Amino acid sequence: GNSVTQMEGPVTLSEEAFLTINCTYTATGYPSLFWYVQYPGEGLQLLLKATKADDKGSNKGFEATYRKETTSFHLEKGSVQVSDSAVYFCALPYYNQGGKLIFGQGTELSVKP
Amino acid sequence: DTAVSQTPKYLVTQMGNDKSIKCEQNLGHDTMYWYKQDSKKFLKIMFSYNNKELIINETVPNRFSPKSPDKAHLNLHINSLELGDSAVYFCASSHGTGGGYGYTFGSGTRLTVV
Repeated sequence: GNSVTQMEGPVTLSEEAFLTINCTYTATGYPSLFWYVQYPGEGLQLLLKATKADDKGSNKGFEATYRKETTSFHLEKGSVQVSDSAVYFCALPYYNQGGKLIFGQGTELSVKP
Repeated sequence: DTAVSQTPKYLVTQMGNDKSIKCEQNLGHDTMYWYKQDSKKFLKIMFSYNNKELIINETVPNRFSPKSPDKAHLNLHINSLELGDSAVYFCASSHGTGGGYGYTFGSGTRLTVV
């Protein structure tokens, strides 16, 4: 079945540093891929998505490219801010299972001033 | 106007009690979900309803019973609460059942069983 693996955290960066959070997946077919963000004490919010190979999703300075050849969907941001401190989840749907999303284990990002 | 709203936000209760969590969405979505997030932030699906019909029922103890009176509401009732039920419970909604649109999440209900 479909699965997703994220790099483990926590990740601690200084403000304005470059961010990469790795996500790799196994999937039947070519499902949409998602990044969600969870700020402290809040629910998950959709950060960006890509629906087919070579698509690039982007939002709030974050980007991720759907790479079929490496089965990856790494999240990047060129210059992080303190306000980006949160937990980030990579996700994709299970194949043919009623819209069920499988989430990676989450990567906690802490950005220091 | 909150898109997916859950109540209550916090719930502290004793072992053995019965409690309910309510969820409502005003997005016009036809599919709703309950997810459980443990202390390590791991998310696991519990149930899903599409147009009031149960379509996903993971291996969840039968002390947990979802109810969907209409496609905008999905409630979760938990009987005989146990310490291990302590977690954050998230409601979510989406268009259809293909998973291609992603979800909109509520802000969560933090359940603490003492």
